[in-house]
Amino acid sequence: AQKITQTQPGMFVQEKEAVTLDCTYDTSDQSYGLFWYKQPSSGEMIFLIYQGSYDEQNATEGRYSLNFQKARKSANLVISASQLGDSAMYFCAMNLDFGNEKLTFGTGTRLTIIP
Amino acid sequence: DGGITQSPKYLFRKEGQNVTLSCEQNLNHDAMYWYRQDPGQGLRLIYYSQIVNDFQKGDIAEGYSVSREKKESFPLTVTSAQKNPTAFYLCASSIVALAGTEQYFGPGTRLTVT
Repeated sequence: AQKITQTQPGMFVQEKEAVTLDCTYDTSDQSYGLFWYKQPSSGEMIFLIYQGSYDEQNATEGRYSLNFQKARKSANLVISASQLGDSAMYFCAMNLDFGNEKLTFGTGTRLTIIP
Repeated sequence: DGGITQSPKYLFRKEGQNVTLSCEQNLNHDAMYWYRQDPGQGLRLIYYSQIVNDFQKGDIAEGYSVSREKKESFPLTVTSAQKNPTAFYLCASSIVALAGTEQYFGPGTRLTVT
């Protein structure tokens, strides 16, 4: 079974600085997908970025990029030029190919941006 | 606007009562999911459905039941058999049940059972 580990329960970052949120995963499958979601205090989960296991380039979406190191089984989220609105919980998740149903989540990192 | 609606946002029930959480989507997605989130935890899959009139158990299905009579709707019933029902419940949907397809989430229902 797959597993996601997020070792940073909370982080404080100065506004406008870049921040890296750590995520490591464990699976014996060769084909899988990695996701990052943001959860503001309102509770809704907002999709940020996706990386496929066979993608050779790191995914980027605006200020978000995913630092994918397959050999180390890590998929860290990098937020450039952080903003106050980035304060939220961030979850790393993965699923396996041939089935989207089992989206496995990590325990999350609470990011607080300091003005 | 297309999206997923969950109602109500807050729900209070007495122990021993069954309660049904609503989830509706107008995204024309085939797959729908129910997750449970406890404080300080990630999301855990309760049930999912890839097609109308069919659904499968997730990791923590005990004490829950679902139906999928319409493509747009996937209600979740929390039965009195669920030992710790107080939690935040999130419904999601996706266009096809394949890896790499993002799941869209509703705003969630916070259930409190006393």
